[in-house]
Amino acid sequence: NAGVTQTPKFQVLKTGQSMTLQCAQDMNHNSMYWYRQDPGMGLRLIYYSASEGTTDKGEVPNGYNVSRLNKREFSLRLESAAPSQTSVYFCASTRTAGTNYGYTFGSGTRLTVV
Amino acid sequence: AQKITQTQPGMFVQEKEAVTLDCTYDTSDQSYGLFWYKQPSSGEMIFLIYQGSYDEQNATEGRYSLNFQKARKSANLVISASQLGDSAMYFCAMREGGGNYGQNFVFGPGTRLSVLP
Repeated sequence: NAGVTQTPKFQVLKTGQSMTLQCAQDMNHNSMYWYRQDPGMGLRLIYYSASEGTTDKGEVPNGYNVSRLNKREFSLRLESAAPSQTSVYFCASTRTAGTNYGYTFGSGTRLTVV
Repeated sequence: AQKITQTQPGMFVQEKEAVTLDCTYDTSDQSYGLFWYKQPSSGEMIFLIYQGSYDEQNATEGRYSLNFQKARKSANLVISASQLGDSAMYFCAMREGGGNYGQNFVFGPGTRLSVLP
């Protein structure tokens, strides 16, 4: 099925460990995003890639890095996980321009840092 | 300032009744899009309905309709004939025509709807 695929769905890390969250879309979208969702705080933008070859910081980038590997793939890396990074992470994609295009979301990654 | 306001953190509705979830927005753009997403307890984000700023008619998608009042900058979601499966978090979102492409999509804080049997 066309859409946004996120892996893994669940992950438990120890403080200080590193990991990469993978995201791939097959809709030929130019723009991709990483959000985190914490209880009562809605969605907060971590990083985004408006087009292949570009990445920019969002609202809460500290502690994260990203790579836009190609047009399809946009990964999020936690270099040294902290308990404050316990959250649900969503990848999303959309066409770059056009106010009538919404996001297509991945199914989310539930990350727990202990 | 908040660009999307959802003033109802939680709502209850009786099964088979209609419910309105409020959303107001703030933008100086003439061209923008308004979206509603549903997030059930399973966690995925599901697109429900879209309204363009130039659309003269309110959007409808099955039991969902969007009450668009442009002058008031409101885009309320109406769910008719509520079902138990409608219990979820609902997010209002806006995509503006101008500004940085990466940050022109904003979400409200969400409203948690509970449908009572």
